Amino acid sequence: DAMVIQNPRYQVTQFGKPVTLSCSQTLNHNVMYWYQQKSSQAPKLLFHYYDKDFNNEADTPDNFQSRRPNTSFCFLDIRSPGLGDAAMYLCATSKDFGGLEQFFGPGTRLTVL
Amino acid sequence: ILNVEQSPQSLHVQEGDSTNFTCSFPSSNFYALHWYRWETAKSPEALFVMTLNGDEKKKGRISATLNTKEGYSYLYIKGSQPEDSATYLCAFTGANNLFFGTGTRLTVIP
Repeated sequence: DAMVIQNPRYQVTQFGKPVTLSCSQTLNHNVMYWYQQKSSQAPKLLFHYYDKDFNNEADTPDNFQSRRPNTSFCFLDIRSPGLGDAAMYLCATSKDFGGLEQFFGPGTRLTVL
Repeated sequence: ILNVEQSPQSLHVQEGDSTNFTCSFPSSNFYALHWYRWETAKSPEALFVMTLNGDEKKKGRISATLNTKEGYSYLYIKGSQPEDSATYLCAFTGANNLFFGTGTRLTVIP
């Protein structure tokens, strides 16, 4: 089945230790998104790629970076995780822009010790 | 940042009861309103994408309505079942990005 896959499902890191979360899709969608959801809050968009074009939300901290080496894969790099970065990280895709349905992965739960 | 609000925050209903929740969103620059169901340990799954004022959509026992002029959408579940237990998220889009509400967490008690 075509889907959005995130690895790992659970990630534990230490304060300040770089961590990378990965997302892959078999849908061949143009757009890939990364969302952060902290406890009891709404998912918040960090950035998205349209093909290779990267768009960073204005309030996304510099500590968060992303890479999309090809259509299928997208990575979220947190350079120096702080305790406040503990959250669920969701990857999503859409075929195009324009308010189309987004297809989500199951998320990666990040714990920072 | 656009304000999307959902109520109630959480809800417990008995199996067989019908229920509904609300999503309110900015009425200006509206493009689409999405509803997603997010079961624990699974991926959020799209239920509806609604674009036109007065839209009503239905999928099995779940339906949704949309009022873009006043900025609200209702999600209805008829005859709730335990498998309906999930968090229901709505999201507003004015152009390209989705702005989510905090969700309504539904628990259906057998």
